Amino acid sequence: DQQVKQNSPSLSVQEGRISILNCDYTNSMFDYFLWYKKYPAEGPTFLISISSIKDKNEDGRFTVFLNKSAKHLSLHIVPSQPGDSAVYFCAASARNNAGNMLTFGGGTRLMVKP
Amino acid sequence: DVKVTQSSRYLVKRTGEKVFLECVQDMDHENMFWYRQDPGLGLRLIYFSYDVKMKEKGDIPEGYSVSREKKERFSLILESASTNQTSMYLCASWTGQDSYNEQFFGPGTRLTVL
Repeated sequence: DQQVKQNSPSLSVQEGRISILNCDYTNSMFDYFLWYKKYPAEGPTFLISISSIKDKNEDGRFTVFLNKSAKHLSLHIVPSQPGDSAVYFCAASARNNAGNMLTFGGGTRLMVKP
Repeated sequence: DVKVTQSSRYLVKRTGEKVFLECVQDMDHENMFWYRQDPGLGLRLIYFSYDVKMKEKGDIPEGYSVSREKKERFSLILESASTNQTSMYLCASWTGQDSYNEQFFGPGTRLTVL
């Protein structure tokens, strides 16, 4: 049973438009959420994170929104660029987990068309 | 910059062979992790280690073992490789600082078991 789900396996967006990637979770103990970006043949790289005490965190073109009551978070990329084309993974952790275990979603492949 | 390196980018093995995947990190991190990435399933945790000679099972430890004899090195062992272990294997490390949950990933090893 997946505790973190990304229901859209792929998303296609025109360059310059907004990309919205969604993530749902079921475990109410999760208190920290991260987004990773992965290019083919490379390891995932950290993109942005949010603590459960916040509902929004912004870093340049990237904004993560957290809706705790709905157990939902989303990543907004504005404006989208062709270099953003990658697989995006949502991840969650609970502070009392030993060793900072992260639970990952299945990923969403974003394609930004020029 | 944290650097996590993995011994091989691509590996082809035969069913029944013993396989060693090596991971080295250069930032004196306490915690190290092994994941496998499969399409639609995201990253799933195989094993992690929070100290030298310490190991904990993740979500899918069956068919795998690990070794951490030195702080900077974490090895994943497939005692008898099977075709269902064909996957992308990713190593990660983490500082152990509670307030900073980002894990740093290596480039991955694409393992094919024939």
